[in-house]
Amino acid sequence: DAKTTQPNSMESNEEEPVHLPCNHSTISGTDYIHWYRQLPSQGPEYVIHGLTSNVNNRMASLAIAEDRKSSTLILHRATLRDAAVYYCILVQGAQKLVFGQGTRLTINP
Amino acid sequence: GAVVSQHPSRVICKSGTSVKIECRSLDFQATTMFWYRQFPKKSLMLMATSNEGSKATYEQGVEKDKFLINHASLTLSTLTVTSAHPEDSSFYICSARGGGRGGTGELFFGEGSRLTVL
Repeated sequence: DAKTTQPNSMESNEEEPVHLPCNHSTISGTDYIHWYRQLPSQGPEYVIHGLTSNVNNRMASLAIAEDRKSSTLILHRATLRDAAVYYCILVQGAQKLVFGQGTRLTINP
Repeated sequence: GAVVSQHPSRVICKSGTSVKIECRSLDFQATTMFWYRQFPKKSLMLMATSNEGSKATYEQGVEKDKFLINHASLTLSTLTVTSAHPEDSSFYICSARGGGRGGTGELFFGEGSRLTVL
């Protein structure tokens, strides 16, 4: 499985943008970049995914580097409810999702 | 959006008993479901891939006789922890893949089931 590298933790303030980085230097051409987040004592929640182009949805934006070896999840205006562990995962086709350690995001009021 | 439901959300059992956890896709059909376990402050660890109408595919190191998986219909997969021991205490999470081109649709996760074995 292709690996991703994320910082263990990040901290930001409420109502400010948050940029969560992910490195995936061994990504293959058919790997999709998925982001999920997990709140305490809950199952993970889908956030966004993309292949090559930047993606936007109601939750976040995904910026993918031109060489696809890294990506950044952008929360435009963080709220306290965005505090969670964020996972960046490479997915090929309908294959299983293998989770790394993720980034624990803390939002300060 | 699509919902995956797990039951029970919490279960406490005595050592040596078996516990069944159900995972249902509520508004879509899931030919494939995935089972994970998670220890406190750790990431999710994939246990097995559950395929409707066929045997589950287990990850290396996961005992298939210990963790029985049955995917009898397109909306239900069950995980049975047999002869549970305290070290089986964990947070078990199921997931199912939604639609999407080329099968790359988002994965929907259940709420998780916290098993405590006394």
